[in-house]
Amino acid sequence: SQQGEEDPQALSIQEGENATMNCSYKTSINNLQWYRQNSGRGLVHLILIRSNEREKHSGRLRVTLDTSKKSSSLLITASRAADTASYFCATPSGSARQLTFGSGTQLTVLP
Amino acid sequence: NAGVTQTPKFQVLKTGQSMTLQCAQDMNHEYMSWYRQDPGMGLRLIHYSVGAGITDQGEVPNGYNVSRSTTEDFPLRLLSAAPSQTSVYFCASSYGGANYGYTFGSGTRLTVV
Repeated sequence: SQQGEEDPQALSIQEGENATMNCSYKTSINNLQWYRQNSGRGLVHLILIRSNEREKHSGRLRVTLDTSKKSSSLLITASRAADTASYFCATPSGSARQLTFGSGTQLTVLP
Repeated sequence: NAGVTQTPKFQVLKTGQSMTLQCAQDMNHEYMSWYRQDPGMGLRLIHYSVGAGITDQGEVPNGYNVSRSTTEDFPLRLLSAAPSQTSVYFCASSYGGANYGYTFGSGTRLTVV
């Protein structure tokens, strides 16, 4: 069963704009992860935020975590056509032996 | 440093055939997992392993077998392929399970006719 659910399912923006994707989850977690998947490729780990962190940055990526609302957001600033991909949030389950993924947000950045 | 290597990249099987999807990692990761990805359903966990000799079932284990005889290799066996197993299969590894980031292979696209 899916722990995280991304919103929106699809997002289309112009190059240079910011893109925001949201993830909601159901049970308590000790971390939340974001991954990117380019078409026809495997997933690539972007960032991990732990439950005691509220915000984390990596280059043009900013992730926030609100454990009281059981939600996280991924912000991509100054988007580029190369950011076109699917983005997934993932959370631990089964005593952190398993990583459970949401169904993803498809981001399209138009040149 | 190759990371996670999956073979083959593409495979077509007839219903009832068996095959093994190979997965190897060179990062000395203890944790390895197999996922399948179907349109609109994200990734679903099939089987996982927390170390050599130890495997366990995930969300959708039926029709699949795994073994882990070495740290490096984690093959996935389809016992008798069914059209419902048409999917893209990903192998992933992690240093310490879901408290760390996962490294994924490039996937195997399997079609069962």
